[in-house]
Amino acid sequence: DAGVTQSPTHLIKTRGQHVTLRCSPISGHKSVSWYQQVLGQGPQFIFQYYEKEERGRGNFPDRFSARQFPNYSSELNVNALLLGDSALYLCASSLLGGTTDTQYFGPGTRLTVL
Amino acid sequence: QQQVKQSPQSLIVQKGGISIINCAYENTAFDYFPWYQQFPGKGPALLIAIRPDVSEKKEGRFTISFNKSAKQFSLHIMDSQPGDSATYFCAASYSNYQLIWGAGTKLIIKP
Repeated sequence: DAGVTQSPTHLIKTRGQHVTLRCSPISGHKSVSWYQQVLGQGPQFIFQYYEKEERGRGNFPDRFSARQFPNYSSELNVNALLLGDSALYLCASSLLGGTTDTQYFGPGTRLTVL
Repeated sequence: QQQVKQSPQSLIVQKGGISIINCAYENTAFDYFPWYQQFPGKGPALLIAIRPDVSEKKEGRFTISFNKSAKQFSLHIMDSQPGDSATYFCAASYSNYQLIWGAGTKLIIKP
């Protein structure tokens, strides 16, 4: 069975641009969470979606948005990119989205903002 | 109060030795404490998790020890192997969706 897949693997953007990151969850999983992992730090929670509805949002500015599609895949959008947005963006899927529900992570998208 | 403090930042252990990584938290509402393992170029993978109603949980060579009164929990890796070399993260949660993560410990097992 395929695990969580994310695209693209790497991305280079310049300040002020917009970026869209994509995630496909494990088949049968209805929840997707997004995390930002800055080099040398633990992941920071950005969003969780369950059944296409936003269930939770972390402490990130409105430049960050996301959505979940009927097939449970998800997109993370970041507008007006800043240098500080350079990070590994991780997507995790789980069956129902509860924290005690095991979250399976994809390999991430490495975003570099120049 | 939302922080989870993890130590040490890096750790070198001889093959066959015991690796110990510690975490401390402030928010007494936390009720779920997982440990994740992350290899370079990969996403984190759940290793083992514990709830505060038990003081210890063991799965193979991996053990979580939990001290509720001290608000601390630790990961012990027995008989450490070179394949255990990775970055380990502790985390904590009190809601249904948001994990608060430690900063990570880079573990190197010397053959």
